[in-house]
Amino acid sequence: KQEVTQIPAALSVPEGENLVLNCSFTDSAIYNLQWFRQDPGKGLTSLLLIQSSQREQTSGRLNASLDKSSGRSTLYIAASQPGDSATYLCAGSITQGGSEKLVFGKGTKLTVNP
Amino acid sequence: GAVVSQHPSRVICKSGTSVKIECRSLDFQATTMFWYRQFPKQSLMLMATSNEGSKATYEQGVEKDKFLINHASLTLSTLTVTSAHPEDSSFYICSAKSWGTEAFFGQGTRLTVV
Repeated sequence: KQEVTQIPAALSVPEGENLVLNCSFTDSAIYNLQWFRQDPGKGLTSLLLIQSSQREQTSGRLNASLDKSSGRSTLYIAASQPGDSATYLCAGSITQGGSEKLVFGKGTKLTVNP
Repeated sequence: GAVVSQHPSRVICKSGTSVKIECRSLDFQATTMFWYRQFPKQSLMLMATSNEGSKATYEQGVEKDKFLINHASLTLSTLTVTSAHPEDSSFYICSAKSWGTEAFFGQGTRLTVV
């Protein structure tokens, strides 16, 4: 069974701090890794997709890395802002029954305090 | 990123009635659409995967006669909750993607059955 684990479950930091969110997966069948943010009562917003041939992706203050050999991905947020407060989810792509599916972690709830 | 539009965002219905939720990919053609259910403070639970023009594949424990999924085109999938009961009240989210690419999510539908 594919499992995706996110640590920590919750994180509270002061504004301006750099932080790292962790995502680990047990199944080498996971090939792509995608990071999302979810605001309360909303859908998911895609942040970064790291495809299997890539090791990292960057978008603005966000940098995500993928190490398939160790089954880990990290999301680095630089100079955090209160607007970054949300739940961050990572999801790995697998092939199952001829379809591509996402296996989600339970998320890290981030609070950035002004 | 690409836009996935989900409607309605909120719906209240009487017990025993049916509710249809639409999911549209506005600026790309999605070969696969996914329907998720999310309980409060929990991660997403995949309900079913649908490929355009074929029957949906339901996850274990999801009643296909209760949650009817139609994926008529590369840009539209619908989820119909039939004979809704209060226990069906939840947050439903759709996602659209093509193989190996980013998954994009709708804004979610809050269903309340009274």
